Amino acid sequence: KAGVTQTPRYLIKTRGQQVTLSCSPISGHRSVSWYQQTPGQGLQFLFEYFSETQRNKGNFPGRFSGRQFSNSRSEMNVSTLELGDSALYLCASSLVGTSGVSSYNEQFFGPGTRLTVL
Amino acid sequence: AQTVTQSQPEMSVQEAETVTLSCTYDTSESNYYLFWYKQPPSRQMILVIRQEAYKQQNATENRFSVNFQKAAKSFSLKISDSQLGDTAMYFCAFMKLPSLTGTASKLTFGTGTRLQVTL
Repeated sequence: KAGVTQTPRYLIKTRGQQVTLSCSPISGHRSVSWYQQTPGQGLQFLFEYFSETQRNKGNFPGRFSGRQFSNSRSEMNVSTLELGDSALYLCASSLVGTSGVSSYNEQFFGPGTRLTVL
Repeated sequence: AQTVTQSQPEMSVQEAETVTLSCTYDTSESNYYLFWYKQPPSRQMILVIRQEAYKQQNATENRFSVNFQKAAKSFSLKISDSQLGDTAMYFCAFMKLPSLTGTASKLTFGTGTRLQVTL
């Protein structure tokens, strides 16, 4: 089974531009989470999508947004890029269990997209 | 809110030796999971080991084991017989018990410990 894929792997943008990153989860996985990794702030949760709905959101400004499609693929968008948005963006997918059952589902991470803002 | 603290920014160990990485956390939750993730230079985040808070028995996965002290909110990782391939950043992470809808809860990570395995 193929792992989580993220495209593009590397991206260079300039301040003020916007960017869209893509994440394809493992087949059958319906939950996709996004994380930002920077040397200064470490790994921080951005948001989680399940069945095309944002179910959980971290403490990031509104410039960061996302969506999920019916095939569970997810995109995140950052508008009006700032230098501080330079980071490794990781997405993770998980298999969501049957509704009504609280169970752990491992998050499988993709290789990340390295975004550099100049 | 949960916090995870890793007080060792860098550690070094010789091949075949044993090393212990420290992690403490703070939470008011009673049911949760704790994890150790490995991030090698390739940047791919890989799950090393998982511990359910309601289990008293410490988790083990081959050469990797944890020392989970719930009352002290401590969760250390022991790597036995260290190998060169263990060289990586190691992150301790916390997750609340997922909701009844089964949706994944977010991971809260520590700042990481860079482990170098030397010959």
